[in-house]
Amino acid sequence: GNSVTQMEGPVTLSEEAFLTINCTYTATGYPSLFWYVQYPGEGLQLLLKATKADDKGSNKGFEATYRKETTSFHLEKGSVQVSDSAVYFCALRGGAGNNRKLIWGLGTSLAVNP
Amino acid sequence: NAGVTQTPKFQVLKTGQSMTLQCAQDMNHEYMSWYRQDPGMGLRLIHYSVGAGITDQGEVPNGYNVSRSTTEDFPLRLLSAAPSQTSVYFCASSAGLAGITDTQYFGPGTRLTVL
Repeated sequence: GNSVTQMEGPVTLSEEAFLTINCTYTATGYPSLFWYVQYPGEGLQLLLKATKADDKGSNKGFEATYRKETTSFHLEKGSVQVSDSAVYFCALRGGAGNNRKLIWGLGTSLAVNP
Repeated sequence: NAGVTQTPKFQVLKTGQSMTLQCAQDMNHEYMSWYRQDPGMGLRLIHYSVGAGITDQGEVPNGYNVSRSTTEDFPLRLLSAAPSQTSVYFCASSAGLAGITDTQYFGPGTRLTVL
């Protein structure tokens, strides 16, 4: 079945550092890929998504490129801020039947220090 | 729009008690779902609904009931609370019927402790 693996946290960075959170997946067909973010004490919200190979999703300075050849969707940001401290979830949804379930990674906690 | 709302924010129960977690959305979304979030286990789907009168089980449905009498509301009932149900519960909705590109909109969560 479909699955998502993302790097374990916690990740601790200083402000203005470069961020990469790795996410790889296994899936049949052509899934859509998502990054959701959960700020402290809040529910999850969509950060960005990509729906086909080579698409780049971007939002709030974050980017992720859907790479089918490496089955990856790594999240990057060039210069993190304290306000980016949150838990980041990679997710996948496939195309048909049970594969339409949204499959979640375990989340990666990011702490940004001033 | 208020989006997805959940009540209560916090709840403490004793083992064996029952309660209902409320969820409502004002976006006219057909698809609604309940997740639980536990440390080291990510998000797990409890139940979902693709429209009023239609519900189905997710991956961890035991001990929970749902109903969907209106498009807006999707309450989650704990029949006889157990310590293993201590968790943070999130309700989510989306416009499409679990379509491949659909965005999920989450409520703020209910933190439940069962003693």
